[in-house]
Formats: sequence, C-alpha cells, structure tokens
Amino acid sequence: DAGITQSPRYKITETGRQVTLMCHQTWSHSYMFWYRQDLGHGLRLIYYSAAADITDKGEVPDGYVVSRSKTENFPLTLESATRSQTSVYFCASMVLAGREQYFGPGTRLTVL
Amino acid sequence: AQSVTQPDIHITVSEGASLELRCNYSYGATPYLFWYVQSPGQGLQLLLKYFSGDTLVQGIKGFEAEFKRSQSSFNLRKPSVHWSDAAEYFCAVGAPGGGADGLTFGKGTHLIIQP
Repeated sequence: DAGITQSPRYKITETGRQVTLMCHQTWSHSYMFWYRQDLGHGLRLIYYSAAADITDKGEVPDGYVVSRSKTENFPLTLESATRSQTSVYFCASMVLAGREQYFGPGTRLTVL
Repeated sequence: AQSVTQPDIHITVSEGASLELRCNYSYGATPYLFWYVQSPGQGLQLLLKYFSGDTLVQGIKGFEAEFKRSQSSFNLRKPSVHWSDAAEYFCAVGAPGGGADGLTFGKGTHLIIQP
C-alpha cells in the first residue's frame, strides 16, 4: 500500500543500547523528517533530509544519527540510548511544492 | 526563531456546539500555516493549510481556519462538533521561501467533547 510506514511500532530497550527506528515511504517524496513527541512539548524536529545523501540537524539532534542512502528510506539511530530519549517518534515526508507533511503512525520507544 | 503558541491546553465543548481553537505565531514573514489532528495512538492528519490568498481556508471534516495577519493568528473553527472530533489538535508553521527545514509545532490543544 502507498504511504509512510514506521517500524517497529513499539520498542523497549535499555540504557546504552543502540536502537534503529525505520521509516519507509512509497511516494518518492524528496523531503523526509524525524520528530519526537513529548508531553508538554508538542513535536520537535530531530533531523531532516532534502534528498538522498543530504541530511541536516533540527532542533534536538543530540544523541541521534540519520542516514538516507535511498529516497524511500530514512532510518533514525540512537547510538547509545538514554532514558531522556523515551518518547514517541514520528517520521514524515513532504513534497516541497505543497509543503504539507504526511506522517507515519509513530514508534513508541521506552528506554529503561 | 519562529514559535507557535496554542494558549489552551484543554478545551471542553458540548456535542453540537461551535468550536474555536486558538493559534498565534511569531515569525518575520508570513509563514506556511497548518492545522493537524491526532487521534489517540495515531499519527498526525492534516486538516487544512494556508499559504496565500483567501484568508479563510476550508479543510476536511468540516473545519475551517482564518488567517489574520494583524494578529499573527490562525484560529481553527468548526460550527458544530461531533463526538468523533475529540482529539489533540496541533497548529504548525513552516518557513516561507525556497527551502524547507521542518515545521514548528505548538504544544497542542486537547479537545474533549461532552455528550
């Protein structure tokens, strides 16, 4: 089916472990984004990508790494997870002309 | 830096009553403006957007929003709410110009519908 998917939907990990959250879109949108959603903060931008092999930091990039070798995939890696990274993570894609972003269903990550 | 303020954390409305959710933004120029809705455990769905032109924009599910440049506001309205409208609502702004570096979101307004 066309759209944007995220995996896993739920993840529990331990402090210090590496975790990768996957994001896949079937529209071939050039732009992709990662946000985290925390109570009282709304959504905050972690990283974004304008095209394959082009990424840039958002508001809260510390502790995260991204890559984009293919247009359709935009994985987010927590190199050494911390409790403060417990959050719901949303991936989004966008066509520049329209500017509206389309969101995936989210990944709920718990770091123990 | 741009910012978005949604003054109301929670709003309770009776089913069938009218609704207005407030959004104020701080930006050097008129940004792209959006309203998204998030149902529990779900992702965000776009309700409507404003770029330019007519300052009253229509969206999905019977929602509309009015852009007021003088007040830096983009309030969301619905004439008659339904129980299914209970959700979290987010106002967001995007930078004008040629690039796109993500949206800045307000902290959200939680809408409760009373029977």
